[in-house]
Amino acid sequence: SQQGEEDPQALSIQEGENATMNCSYKTSINNLQWYRQNSGRGLVHLILIRSNEREKHSGRLRVTLDTSKKSSSLLITASRAADTASYFCATDGSGGSNYKLTFGKGTLLTVNP
Amino acid sequence: DSGVTQTPKHLITATGQRVTLRCSPRSGDLSVYWYQQSLDQGLQFRIQYYNGEERAKGNILERFSAQQFPDLHSELNLSSLELGDSALYFCASSVGTGLAGGFFGELFFGEGSRLTVL
Repeated sequence: SQQGEEDPQALSIQEGENATMNCSYKTSINNLQWYRQNSGRGLVHLILIRSNEREKHSGRLRVTLDTSKKSSSLLITASRAADTASYFCATDGSGGSNYKLTFGKGTLLTVNP
Repeated sequence: DSGVTQTPKHLITATGQRVTLRCSPRSGDLSVYWYQQSLDQGLQFRIQYYNGEERAKGNILERFSAQQFPDLHSELNLSSLELGDSALYFCASSVGTGLAGGFFGELFFGEGSRLTVL
């Protein structure tokens, strides 16, 4: 089963608008990561936030983490058509002896020019 | 360019056949991960190797096997292929081991091998 679940599944906005995607997860984590995937291509790492951090910025990206609610959000400000892609959250899961990075099903973001 | 190389990029084969997917990790990365992506199941973790040893396993079919060689490249072998095995298979690499209690850092993904089983 998926550890992280993104919401919404799809989001369509106009260029220049902000895009917010949410991720919920089930078990304790050490860190949470966001990745981007252009259609049919490999995933590209965007940002990592540790469990003891609440907010992190990278360029036009802002990520928040609320461990009490087991949720994270990714905000892309002043979106561009080139931001059109699927966005995934990934969690590492701090429990158990088998360590892996588990991805949600993603949010498909379409930015219309 | 992530530095992770996967071959072949595309593969079309028939049910019952066997294929091998190859991955060369980023220079210096000791960990290799295999993921399978399909429309219905999303991106699913299958197996991880660290410096030649299996380190973590997801829900991987017995028909699938993998290994990491001394030069750190990895191969994923898929046998007795079924229509449902059609998917994008990604290899990723990282510096860390992903050991419990350790820091799980950024993964670098290859461009994937698209397998079509007819």
